[in-house]
Amino acid sequence: EPEVTQTPSHQVTQMGQEVILRCVPISNHLYFYWYRQILGQKVEFLVSFYNNEISEKSEIFDDQFSVERPDGSNFTLKIRSTKLEDSAMYFCASSERGSGANVLTFGAGSRLTVL
Amino acid sequence: SQQGEEDPQALSIQEGENATMNCSYKTSINNLQWYRQNSGRGLVHLILIRSNEREKHSGRLRVTLDTSKKSSSLLITASRAADTASYFCATDKGTYKYIFGTGTRLKVLA
Repeated sequence: EPEVTQTPSHQVTQMGQEVILRCVPISNHLYFYWYRQILGQKVEFLVSFYNNEISEKSEIFDDQFSVERPDGSNFTLKIRSTKLEDSAMYFCASSERGSGANVLTFGAGSRLTVL
Repeated sequence: SQQGEEDPQALSIQEGENATMNCSYKTSINNLQWYRQNSGRGLVHLILIRSNEREKHSGRLRVTLDTSKKSSSLLITASRAADTASYFCATDKGTYKYIFGTGTRLKVLA
């Protein structure tokens, strides 16, 4: 069964450093998402991406964050100048469509620890 | 506005019992979905119910949707220890944005 692949599974970084989280969505999916989950808390929407553009973003997704599809397969989330409160699980998801009866397929997540 | 609040926050039952989780939301939706998350893992889609549907079944899962009350429930019948996980509802307003609730942590005791 096709799956969404995320790397790294765990990254530890120092406050102020830049981090890039990588995702390989399902090949025929056209919509891509990043969510984050602070330990034991709700799953928070960060951004959705379609046709090489951001479709929607949340208040959390400020200038510190950026997304990119550098090639035909990878979808990346960059966090510039990480803060302690950026420590969380970051989940990538993809879907065939952007709305309607549409199912998101999630990756296993990347755990980011900011020291 | 916050979309998707599940209750209870945590639920502990014996194997074989039924588990019911509720989700409330605040604005109109196109559809509502339920996802499951095993500890430390990604979310897995369980079932989707459209806004014009009132009830849907899939195996041991039964989902209801009441758009007048802006609420949904997920019933897992004859629960098993393997059902132990967190369950989240997600709402879609048709804007490339799926909003997840706070989740219900279900523990099924063998």
